[in-house]
Amino acid sequence: QIQLVQSGAEVKSPGASVKVSCKASGYTFSYYGFSWVRQAPGQGLEWMGWITAYNGSTHYAERFQDRVTMTIDTSTSTTYMELRGLKSDDTAVYFCARSAQFLELGGDFDYWGQGTLVTVSS
Amino acid sequence: DIQMTQSPSSLSASVGDRVTITCRPSQNVKTYLNWYQQKPGKAPKLLIYYVSALQRGVPSRFSGSGSGTLFTLTISSLQPEDFATYYCQQTSDTPRTFGQGTKVEIK
Repeated sequence: QIQLVQSGAEVKSPGASVKVSCKASGYTFSYYGFSWVRQAPGQGLEWMGWITAYNGSTHYAERFQDRVTMTIDTSTSTTYMELRGLKSDDTAVYFCARSAQFLELGGDFDYWGQGTLVTVSS
Repeated sequence: DIQMTQSPSSLSASVGDRVTITCRPSQNVKTYLNWYQQKPGKAPKLLIYYVSALQRGVPSRFSGSGSGTLFTLTISSLQPEDFATYYCQQTSDTPRTFGQGTKVEIK
């Protein structure tokens, strides 16, 4: 069955970086992309960006453009999201979600990881 | 950015009730409109994609309709497991955006 399994919870200090992983299984990895979505405590869903497993192309939401990097490791069917310059309001659960191979296809987020809580605190 | 406005923000309903949630994108999103259900402490779950297509395994009491800038999610007969928060989402443009959520609570 299709699964996305994310890395465990992290506690970081302000100004630090965090790298969250998301390992996919149960389907042909290169046929899809991934979106990263975060959810602050008690808040809604916020899209951070997208990466395709086809060739590693990315598209980031403008508000994260300077601080986020998404990568793909096809050898392990894993995608990573690194967020730099952490602030207290980056405290959130970060989700990966399987998305369309190409952004122009639109698509939906049909499988999600379990989420990774990132806490930013001094 | 395309703003997604859901109404109501919350509602109280009883088991067996018919529930309708509305989503209004600020621009035409064509048919790139999806609905998700999220329960506390869990990842969102895709219910409906491309306005009205039911995701595999989702009960038929869930349905979606609409076009352009007005969409609805309907639960024909609310069940105990349906108490959750529901989000609409557009994938017509970037950034992908979600509605603020509609919390369905037990009356």
